[in-house]
Amino acid sequence: DTGVSQNPRHKITKRGQNVTFRCDPISEHNRLYWYRQTLGQGPEFLTYFQNEAQLEKSRLLSDRFSAERPKGSFSTLEIQRTEQGDSAMYLCASSSALTARPYEQYFGPGTRLTVT
Amino acid sequence: GQQVMQIPQYQHVQEGEDFTTYCNSSTTLSNIQWYKQRPGGHPVFLIQLVKSGEVKKQKRLTFQFGEAKKNSSLHITATQTTDVGTYFCAGPLAPGTASKLTFGTGTRLQVTL
Repeated sequence: DTGVSQNPRHKITKRGQNVTFRCDPISEHNRLYWYRQTLGQGPEFLTYFQNEAQLEKSRLLSDRFSAERPKGSFSTLEIQRTEQGDSAMYLCASSSALTARPYEQYFGPGTRLTVT
Repeated sequence: GQQVMQIPQYQHVQEGEDFTTYCNSSTTLSNIQWYKQRPGGHPVFLIQLVKSGEVKKQKRLTFQFGEAKKNSSLHITATQTTDVGTYFCAGPLAPGTASKLTFGTGTRLQVTL
């Protein structure tokens, strides 16, 4: 069990640029979640996958955000035309429906995005 | 915006003192989870409560789920410096969305010697 990994750990970009983050969940975890966290706040749900299917997407997400999990393993989160308000920590978490505690989410270290 | 509130927002205690954080939801929850986030770290799952009035203990931590399943509390007995961090409650606010967690505003705990 190597834990949830996220890359890159830090990203600085200029407003208007596109960015893509990657999340590798714990091996064999079929559920994957993306959250956004700003300073002093709790994680805010963005989207959720079960295997390769995107089952939930926050209404807060604009059309500039898109997430994929093409083979049911790693996932990518893309933000197009970044804005300064997108600056935040983007957290990925995974869980397994097949364990005794299917609700327990394991979080990765996050990708910190700064939009200048 | 978030509909799960926690109080207090911040608490500073001396090592050995007790600490309690309270979590209140705007809607009835099917379950509530608690997470701890150390400074500079990521959230780590602590526990899940499901039943009305449920009480669970983990060493010095006691978790309660309210009878109406709209509130919860976390109590730490005899705090230690290792308890430093922000404690979040989280629950699924919308019915049928067990995996879509709404996190509370968090309570940041500082413990000094």
